[in-house]
Amino acid sequence: DAGITQSPRHKVTETGTPVTLRCHQTENHRYMYWYRQDPGHGLRLIHYSYGVKDTDKGEVSDGYSVSRSKTEDFLLTLESATSSQTSVYFCAIRPGYYSETGNTIYFGEGSWLTVV
Amino acid sequence: GQQVMQIPQYQHVQEGEDFTTYCNSSTTLSNIQWYKQRPGGHPVFLIQLVKSGEVKKQKRLTFQFGEAKKNSSLHITATQTTDVGTYFCAGLEYGNKLVFGAGTILRVKS
Repeated sequence: DAGITQSPRHKVTETGTPVTLRCHQTENHRYMYWYRQDPGHGLRLIHYSYGVKDTDKGEVSDGYSVSRSKTEDFLLTLESATSSQTSVYFCAIRPGYYSETGNTIYFGEGSWLTVV
Repeated sequence: GQQVMQIPQYQHVQEGEDFTTYCNSSTTLSNIQWYKQRPGGHPVFLIQLVKSGEVKKQKRLTFQFGEAKKNSSLHITATQTTDVGTYFCAGLEYGNKLVFGAGTILRVKS
């Protein structure tokens, strides 16, 4: 498996509190992504990064912010958690060079977040 | 923005039957990828298709990329219980965004 570590793996938090999920990679890959997975919706892109301090919004970015101050770390913050943000969050990485595997996405194990 | 539609949402087959899932993009893709997610697990890369009309095989799995590079399919011949899971297609736009279809859940009865 690719060297991706997500933390925490499981978290229960209260509505209105800020939450930060961390993704750490040891592959030195350029691209990093945050997806959320919900039944019937598949994997939806929240934010992604194409380099240190370079980030962009995905299709479901409202209520989320990200930061990437180092190549290896990509943080996802829920500014004020709501019950609709209860989900499984997957971090993913991609090398980005043009090759057979350059566009392959490698996923972390996932972070289960429950907002009560 | 780009949308990737995947059908069917769910399929339950008898072991030994064939299975097909289809993927359609609203925009032309630079490539399409397929992933498999076992229950409780994370998506795992299966294959990438790049060329118009490309067909690739992995044992009992056959992947196709449409001529217009807007649709794709995954066909499994003679399903086995180990094929259970959710199969996702993902389209890469000419840029950095990889957009996933909603996935097809495959259940196999033994």
